[in-house]
Amino acid sequence: QKEVEQNSGPLSVPEGAIASLNCTYSDRVSQSFFWYRQYSGKSPELIMSIYSNGDKEDGRFTAQLNKASQYVSLLIRDSQPSDSATYLCAGRCKYSGGGADGLTFGKGTHLIIQP
Amino acid sequence: DVKVTQSSRYLVKRTGEKVFLECVQDMDHENMFWYRQDPGLGLRLIYFSYDVKMKEKGDIPEGYSVSREKKERFSLILESASTNQTSMYLCASSFLYSYNEQFFGPGTRLTVL
Repeated sequence: QKEVEQNSGPLSVPEGAIASLNCTYSDRVSQSFFWYRQYSGKSPELIMSIYSNGDKEDGRFTAQLNKASQYVSLLIRDSQPSDSATYLCAGRCKYSGGGADGLTFGKGTHLIIQP
Repeated sequence: DVKVTQSSRYLVKRTGEKVFLECVQDMDHENMFWYRQDPGLGLRLIYFSYDVKMKEKGDIPEGYSVSREKKERFSLILESASTNQTSMYLCASSFLYSYNEQFFGPGTRLTVL
């Protein structure tokens, strides 16, 4: 099982609707999670982080963490065509050397906002 | 503004060549990371470093080595490039503690012929 799992999509959502992106994670992944957005041909940029159980809101974005179900989600309200991108879910992961944590990423969900 | 720069945007090498990919950050970050990104496989961690001369293996270290002689610079080395190392390579950096954001460089598209 991959450490972080996402549905690769594409997920197609009409403009103005709510886009819901989900990921699940394994026991090896710690309780710090990140959502990155990656436009085609560009590098990932962080849009949300969440460390505690529950919801965290930032503008049109809401991240949700459910530790019991090992589930993380990202909601995008009032979706805009500029939100069309690949969204990567990532979690902290300990590696064998015992030093700093690395990030392990899901494969990403391709989101398309239809005008 | 945080800046992570990579030495080349595009690189073409031949099988068996030794390849150096360089990454420099200007934010005094302790952590630096090398990933590769492939269609259908996503971003995978190759190596990372949390201090000068320190290195940790990630998920796919085979065929790669790294060097960190200065805090701001982290090099990825392909000792003998092979065609299956054709990929997009992304460098990232962050502060030491777990809760901090990783900032990514623009990436190097490496093609091994």
